[in-house]
Amino acid sequence: GQQLNQSPQSMFIQEGEDVSMNCTSSSIFNTWLWYKQDPGEGPVLLIALYKAGELTSNGRLTAQFGITRKDSFLNISASIPSDVGIYFCAGHQGNKLIFGTGTRLQVFP
Amino acid sequence: NAGVTQTPKFQVLKTGQSMTLQCAQDMNHNSMYWYRQDPGMGLRLIYYSASEGTTDKGEVPNGYNVSRLNKREFSLRLESAAPSQTSVYFCASSELGVPYEQYFGPGTRLTVT
Repeated sequence: GQQLNQSPQSMFIQEGEDVSMNCTSSSIFNTWLWYKQDPGEGPVLLIALYKAGELTSNGRLTAQFGITRKDSFLNISASIPSDVGIYFCAGHQGNKLIFGTGTRLQVFP
Repeated sequence: NAGVTQTPKFQVLKTGQSMTLQCAQDMNHNSMYWYRQDPGMGLRLIYYSASEGTTDKGEVPNGYNVSRLNKREFSLRLESAAPSQTSVYFCASSELGVPYEQYFGPGTRLTVT
């Protein structure tokens, strides 16, 4: 089945650093989403993007919907320890979401 | 408002045993989903129910059955568990017409020995 490619697979950063991650697909999506999963919990929706080129912020998080509609980017500024978790991108296709493989983020004080 | 709840939280089965994973949501959502999450694989859709009374296969439906009991509840059944079904199972729900904004439960960690 189709999955989205996320990179990097994992990141180890120092508190206060900025973080960038991206997601690419061979298919076009009309909606891109970013979810965060804390250890032992289900994913939680962070940001939804609805049109190509859109740039949306949610606090320290900023996400962009790529112009080609085949990619998306998530940036986290001034990371803090509670940013630790797995970040998933997802593309909307029909009635379903196709999820990326995830980027695992570790933040060291 | 509990959101999406799942039971049990953990389960260990022997190969060949059966069990049902329960999911309920109190957000009055029409659509519900079952995913499995395996290391390095992200989340893969098993089955979904766009609205009460309908169910459809997702990407990995083999070995599973579902029942949309009512608008609130959507259960996942393993008739004869196999070690390949060891995974973390998540239920999710969304508003009809907004399937891309899904709300997830806390998950069930299943081990099949």
